[in-house]
Amino acid sequence: GAVVSQHPSWVICKSGTSVKIECRSLDFQATTMFWYRQFPKQSLMLMATSNEGSKATYEQGVEKDKFLINHASLTLSTLTVTSAHPEDSSFYICSANPPSGTVNYGYTFGSGTRLTVV
Amino acid sequence: GENVEQHPSTLSVQEGDSAVIKCTYSDSASNYFPWYKQELGKGPQLIIDIRSNVGEKKDQRIAVTLNKTAKHFSLHITETQPEDSAVYFCAASSGNDMRFGAGTRLTVKP
Repeated sequence: GAVVSQHPSWVICKSGTSVKIECRSLDFQATTMFWYRQFPKQSLMLMATSNEGSKATYEQGVEKDKFLINHASLTLSTLTVTSAHPEDSSFYICSANPPSGTVNYGYTFGSGTRLTVV
Repeated sequence: GENVEQHPSTLSVQEGDSAVIKCTYSDSASNYFPWYKQELGKGPQLIIDIRSNVGEKKDQRIAVTLNKTAKHFSLHITETQPEDSAVYFCAASSGNDMRFGAGTRLTVKP
């Protein structure tokens, strides 16, 4: 149980285009999902907290107009990188927290999306 | 906010030896401390966790200890195997927000 599916696993796009990454909780409902960014050989940096039915909460320094987050249902959150630039190239990972009381209480991560902007 | 520090950043051990990774946290309200293993190109996977009402937890070759007073917790891997080679992250959470350590790259030499 507590599976989080992230898609795509990798994407290459041209500078100036937008890319959408999907994060789905497959066997549980997640009112909150989290988006992280990870540079090579570095830790996970929280970008934003995605809240179902309301606006996302962004960490300091993260441009909300550049990284659009939509959490329209209890099982899906999307991150759209708008007007992508090479410096946006990174590994993006989502996570969700199953409801308390479930067997796998604790954050479950997606498999990540490797974004390369050329 | 919470600040999690993790040491060492790299660790190399011989197969069969033990490996210990240590983390400290700053927020006394943190009550949940998971450890994740991340292999190259993949998302982190939870390997063990501990809550603030427990001092130690063990799962086969993996154990975690927690010292709330000192605000530090450690991961212990015994009888290491080459497949244990990966990056390990500690984390601390006081609710819905989780902060990660910088990671430890563990290499187990056969």
